[in-house]
Amino acid sequence: QKEVEQDPGPLSVPEGAIVSLNCTYSNSAFQYFMWYRQYSRKGPELLMYTYSSGNKEDGRFTAQVDKSSKYISLFIRDSQPSDSATYLCAMGGATNKLIFGTGTLLAVQP
Amino acid sequence: DGGITQSPKYLFRKEGQNVTLSCEQNLNHDAMYWYRQDPGQGLRLIYYSQIVNDFQKGDIAEGYSVSREKKESFPLTVTSAQKNPTAFYLCASSPPGGWGQETQYFGPGTRLLVL
Repeated sequence: QKEVEQDPGPLSVPEGAIVSLNCTYSNSAFQYFMWYRQYSRKGPELLMYTYSSGNKEDGRFTAQVDKSSKYISLFIRDSQPSDSATYLCAMGGATNKLIFGTGTLLAVQP
Repeated sequence: DGGITQSPKYLFRKEGQNVTLSCEQNLNHDAMYWYRQDPGQGLRLIYYSQIVNDFQKGDIAEGYSVSREKKESFPLTVTSAQKNPTAFYLCASSPPGGWGQETQYFGPGTRLLVL
């Protein structure tokens, strides 16, 4: 079993839809949870950072962490074609090493 | 502008050749990392360095080598021992300890292809 599981998609939605992206994990030592956005042939860009459980909102993006269920989510409201990218979840614990999900490819259709 | 630069953008390697990928950052970050990205496999850690003149192997270090002689620079050499080097290579750095220690910022990547 991988430490972090992420549905690879692809996920296709119409413009304006609410998108839900998810990751599950098995290591209860993870304390830091991140979402990165990666456009094709580019480096990942940090989108959201959350420490421990709870919600964090930034504009159209909301990150949720449920440590009891070992489950994290990224919600995108009013999705735009410019949101089309691969979304990677990442998690860290006591060290500086991050564990990444395999990424979910999202396509927002105009 | 502060950031991480990687060069070249594309690199071609011949059989038996060593090649070096450059990574430079002007963010004053202490820690730097090299990842390899293959389709469907996410990011895999090759090497990381938390301080100048010190570095540790990651999960897939075989066939790679690094140096950290300056805080700003963390070059990666792909040696001839790496039999499947075709991949997208990403360099990252993270700020000093404390809140945000786990946050890593990535460069634009280098795509390595074998001729």
